[in-house]
Amino acid sequence: QKEVEQDPGPLSVPEGAIVSLNCTYSNSAFQYFMWYRQYSRKGPELLMYTYSSGNKEDGRFTAQVDKSSKYISLFIRDSQPSDSATYLCAMSVANQAGTALIFGKGTTLSVSS
Amino acid sequence: DGGITQSPKYLFRKEGQNVTLSCEQNLNHDAMYWYRQDPGQGLRLIYYSQIVNDFQKGDIAEGYSVSREKKESFPLTVTSAQKNPTAFYLCASSISSGIGSQHFGDGTRLSIL
Repeated sequence: QKEVEQDPGPLSVPEGAIVSLNCTYSNSAFQYFMWYRQYSRKGPELLMYTYSSGNKEDGRFTAQVDKSSKYISLFIRDSQPSDSATYLCAMSVANQAGTALIFGKGTTLSVSS
Repeated sequence: DGGITQSPKYLFRKEGQNVTLSCEQNLNHDAMYWYRQDPGQGLRLIYYSQIVNDFQKGDIAEGYSVSREKKESFPLTVTSAQKNPTAFYLCASSISSGIGSQHFGDGTRLSIL
């Protein structure tokens, strides 16, 4: 079983839809959870960062962590064509520099106008 | 503007040739990282460095080498021993303490001639 599982999609939605992106993981030691957005031929950019369980909201984006189920989610409200990108979940066991991030394979999202 | 600069954007390697990918950051980050991204594979860690003159192997270090002579620079050499070098290479950096999230450059795409 891989440490982090993420459905690669592709996921296609109409503009304005609510999008749900998910990752599951097997290592219960993960404490720090991140979502990155990656446009084609670009590097990933950090969208959301959460520690331990709970929700975090930033504008149209909400990140959820359920450590009991080893499941994290990213919700995008009122999706826009500019949200079309690959979304990568990432997690780590600690927050020191040099700690490796373990990435999911990424979900490709397409939002049509 | 602070950020990470990777060069070149595209690079071609001949059989038996070593090539070096450049990564420079002006974020004053202590830690730097190299990842390889293949289609459908997510990001995999090659090498990382927490401080100048020190670096550690990641999950897929074979066929690669790095140096860290300056805080702002972390070049990656893809040697002839790396038999499947075609990939998108991403450099990242992070602060020495606090959150472990990493900031990425826009990558170098390496192909075999």
